[in-house]
Amino acid sequence: DQQVKQNSPSLSVQEGRISILNCDYTNSMFDYFLWYKKYPAEGPTFLISISSIKDKNEDGRFTVFLNKSAKHLSLHIVPSQPGDSAVYFCAARIQGGSEKLVFGKGTKLTVNP
Amino acid sequence: KAGVTQTPRYLIKTRGQQVTLSCSPISGHRSVSWYQQTPGQGLQFLFEYFSETQRNKGNFPGRFSGRQFSNSRSEMNVSTLELGDSALYLCASSPGGGPDTQYFGPGTRLTVL
Repeated sequence: DQQVKQNSPSLSVQEGRISILNCDYTNSMFDYFLWYKKYPAEGPTFLISISSIKDKNEDGRFTVFLNKSAKHLSLHIVPSQPGDSAVYFCAARIQGGSEKLVFGKGTKLTVNP
Repeated sequence: KAGVTQTPRYLIKTRGQQVTLSCSPISGHRSVSWYQQTPGQGLQFLFEYFSETQRNKGNFPGRFSGRQFSNSRSEMNVSTLELGDSALYLCASSPGGGPDTQYFGPGTRLTVL
């Protein structure tokens, strides 16, 4: 049972344009959502997070939107840069005292110069 | 602040052997979580330790175990290695007061022959 889904395995965008990465979840008990960026053979790097009580969080070029009624979140990167090319993982934490994260399968973003 | 460190970075073992991986969290972080990343299953939660106690455990067999020391450093052990245990093992730390951002180490690449 995949509780966090990233339905697009890959995404290709032009440098300077917007990248939109999507994530859907099924568990209403998730209270905190995070996006990580990962290069092969390295650990995930934290990008941005959002609490379930908010619907938007911004940090520089990165904005995360949360639609609780649709159980959907998205990561917007504006403007996209070639250095953003990596695999992006959506992760969710279940409320209740543990730090366990449930991850999506990832979306490989390629930003073309 | 120094990041999460993991040792060793690479390991080659044969079936039936056992292995111990080590993780040093960010200074001041009391929660350490372990994840397994494989191409087919993505990032899967193994277990979380907080103040030397296992706070949560994923769906892995009993061959996978861990512990945490009083200085928050953690080890995970895999006994009777199987070919399917070949993976990138990632450690993440957070303050533990939740909900917190987890910061990942670079991982240990385990190859079982």
